[in-house]
Amino acid sequence: ETGVTQTPRHLVMGMTNKKSLKCEQHLGHNAMYWYKQSAKKPLELMFVYSLEERVENNSVPSRFSPECPNSSHLFLHLHTLQPEDSALYLCASSQDRTGTFYEQYFGPGTRLTVT
Amino acid sequence: RKEVEQDPGPFNVPEGATVAFNCTYSNSASQSFFWYRQDCRKEPKLLMSVYSSGNEDGRFTAQLNRASQYISLLIRDSKLSDSATYLCVVNAYSSASKIIFGSGTRLSIRP
Repeated sequence: ETGVTQTPRHLVMGMTNKKSLKCEQHLGHNAMYWYKQSAKKPLELMFVYSLEERVENNSVPSRFSPECPNSSHLFLHLHTLQPEDSALYLCASSQDRTGTFYEQYFGPGTRLTVT
Repeated sequence: RKEVEQDPGPFNVPEGATVAFNCTYSNSASQSFFWYRQDCRKEPKLLMSVYSSGNEDGRFTAQLNRASQYISLLIRDSKLSDSATYLCVVNAYSSASKIIFGSGTRLSIRP
């Protein structure tokens, strides 16, 4: 596999469920990101991991919990979500060095519907 | 004022036309600039980075104007396949963590 992969591609879950989104990058990058894209809104940066450490949490509710076990894998654990959390969740990776930001490569996204 | 602003469009132009978009940013300390394209229900894909001196890739030219705080994208000889939403991205700090996406400009090329 090449690039950035995400599973599942589609997910429907109830508000009381617990599920996880998975992202894997095959580019040798050292930074990974979670974004949320809602209809007619710009991409919202949720979390950033650089060298497996979380470096950014953009005031995301605690019902979203990220996990980065190594530089190639990123998870987003979901629990007790709300209908307004329905969106496209995109994972991205980049090669990050302090002082220089490199371009990001995105996975195909998980389209999440909360019922 | 939004940190990054784009004209949402849609721009509807005939095949072969030249079209240009601008993207303005509010933080004068912004360091890195990019254009991405996003097709309907797909992920954003990097189109080109924007360098201080301007850069060109085939039919696409990107420019940065630091004094007026905007970046531009010019598409020459537009093709039907150029129909997409074009997102500008500005990194407000020299770190991967302060990345701002514009809302995107929708372009539709008609035959």
